Amino acid sequence: QKEVEQNSGPLSVPEGAIASLNCTYSDQGSQSFFWYRQYSGKSPELIMFIYSNGDKEDGRFTAQLNKASQYVSLLIRDSQPSDSATYLCAVGSYQKVTFGTGTKLQVIP
Amino acid sequence: ETGVTQSPTHLIKTRGQQVTLRCSSQSGHNTVSWYQQALGQGPQFIFQYYREEENGRGNFPPRFSGLQFPNYSSELNVNALELDDSALYLCASSLRTSLGDTQYFGPGTRLTVL
Repeated sequence: QKEVEQNSGPLSVPEGAIASLNCTYSDQGSQSFFWYRQYSGKSPELIMFIYSNGDKEDGRFTAQLNKASQYVSLLIRDSQPSDSATYLCAVGSYQKVTFGTGTKLQVIP
Repeated sequence: ETGVTQSPTHLIKTRGQQVTLRCSSQSGHNTVSWYQQALGQGPQFIFQYYREEENGRGNFPPRFSGLQFPNYSSELNVNALELDDSALYLCASSLRTSLGDTQYFGPGTRLTVL
């Protein structure tokens, strides 16, 4: 079992819709959870981090964490073509951050 | 911009050669992590340095080594390059807290091994 699992996609959504990206992780001791956005040929850019169960909102982005289910998600409201990128879920435990392989999001104008 | 810089941007080497990649951390950060990202994959953890000491290592052979300097800049050295070492190498700096590290990436170094 992979430590951090994401659906590779592509996930296609129309402009203005909500995009929902999901991630599961295997290490129950994980303490910190991150979402990064990566455009083709560029380095990952931090979008959100979340440490506690529940929702965390920042602008159009909402991160959701359920530690009991070992599940973290990212919602993007009012999706824009500029949101088209690969979204990487990352899970942190002591001394280490583990990344998933990413979900490719395509926002269709 | 994250304030994390890497050099060089691109590099071409031949099999068997050695390479040194450099990273300058964001001001105030005491931890640096290095990752290898192959095309279509997520970043793979190579190792981490915290206050100049190696603080964790991924599943990479000893020919991958590193240093962190007192100013928290860092180097990644790779000896005896292999074709499979061709990848984007990313460094990420962070400030260690009780909850862990929130990592900010530099722009990466694209290494091609021929």
